[in-house]
Amino acid sequence: GAGVSQSPSNKVTEKGKDVELRCDPISGHTALYWYRQSLGQGLEFLIYFQGNSAPDKSGLPSDRFSAERTGGSVSTLTIQRTQQEDSAVYLCASSLGGGYSPLHFGNGTRLTVT
Amino acid sequence: KNEVEQSPQNLTAQEGEFITINCSYSVGISALHWLQQHPGGGIVSLFMLSSGKKKHGRLIATINIQEKHSSLHITASHPRDSAVYICAAQAGGGADGLTFGKGTHLIIQP
Repeated sequence: GAGVSQSPSNKVTEKGKDVELRCDPISGHTALYWYRQSLGQGLEFLIYFQGNSAPDKSGLPSDRFSAERTGGSVSTLTIQRTQQEDSAVYLCASSLGGGYSPLHFGNGTRLTVT
Repeated sequence: KNEVEQSPQNLTAQEGEFITINCSYSVGISALHWLQQHPGGGIVSLFMLSSGKKKHGRLIATINIQEKHSSLHITASHPRDSAVYICAAQAGGGADGLTFGKGTHLIIQP
């Protein structure tokens, strides 16, 4: 079956521009997560959705970052006024929800801010 | 905040060797995840465990809740096992509480 799909796979943007990253989770997965992996760094949690609500936004690095999820399915992560330090791979994962459901990761969006 | 430490950071071994990667965490957890990331590739969830031991093919994961420690073992290692292995501690009921280790970069030489 289809896995978690992210688009675009690569995005190069100029500093100061806004970008929108998309995640299509596995059908039926109620939980959706956004993570970031900077070059040479470990994975960093950004935000978690259960259905359309985001009970934990604590990982968003600044108010330039926002995310939404509609219809309990597709999610978009928006970065406004991009900075060079935003360059990273942004990963989305989904799961059935609940405490013990394994994560299914997308292939990520590689964002480069020039 | 949970501190998750992995060791070793880098590991190079010969094909066929038994591999062990260790993960320790500082705060009690509800589950421990082991993830695999191939170069340029996505992340695959290998195991999620909250107690005891799980086995999948040549991979074995164990966890000792009292000692706050988990290990990932690879038997009869193969060059295709070369990847970064990441452990992640899950604090609460959802993966929002995941704290990741920095990963172990494993290279299996033929």
